[in-house]
Amino acid sequence: DQQVKQNSPSLSVQEGRISILNCDYTNSMFDYFLWYKKYPAEGPTFLISISSIKDKNEDGRFTVFLNKSAKHLSLHIVPSQPGDSAVYFCAASGTPSGGYNKLIFGAGTRLAVHP
Amino acid sequence: NAGVTQTPKFQVLKTGQSMTLQCAQDMNHNSMYWYRQDPGMGLRLIYYSASEGTTDKGEVPNGYNVSRLNKREFSLRLESAAPSQTSVYFCASSDMGQPNEKLFFGSGTQLSVL
Repeated sequence: DQQVKQNSPSLSVQEGRISILNCDYTNSMFDYFLWYKKYPAEGPTFLISISSIKDKNEDGRFTVFLNKSAKHLSLHIVPSQPGDSAVYFCAASGTPSGGYNKLIFGAGTRLAVHP
Repeated sequence: NAGVTQTPKFQVLKTGQSMTLQCAQDMNHNSMYWYRQDPGMGLRLIYYSASEGTTDKGEVPNGYNVSRLNKREFSLRLESAAPSQTSVYFCASSDMGQPNEKLFFGSGTQLSVL
């Protein structure tokens, strides 16, 4: 059973508008959440993160919102640009065990931003 | 500014063949990881190495072995490849292996097992 779910496989948005990517999780022990962005033929790259003690984190055009009671987080991109077209992975982490960074990834959402 | 380097980028194997995927990082990171990416499944952790000299199983370790050769290098071996191991494999590293650290990924190896 997937602990981190991205229920929308794809999203299409017009340039300049807002992109909202959603992520749900089931494990209440998760306390850190990250978003990674992946272009074709490249590895994922870190985009933005949020700790469970916060409900919002902003970095330029990217904002992540966390709703712990709903076990839901979302990534907002404003304004969307064609260069934002990529696959976005949501990932969650719990208390480390054995000193390693165990991330559980969602299946990803493919964002297409059209001019 | 190489970061995490993986070789090869593409590989086709026949069922039962063996191969080793190589990974090296130049960021002096302590922790290294191997993930596989399958459609609709996201990235799943195969093995990780919290520090030089240690390795541990992740979510999907069956059919794989790893070697942390030194601080820079972490290899993944398929002893007898199976079609279920057709996937894209990513190596990653992080500084200390803490949950609030970002992972740095290589560009991936696309493996097909026929």
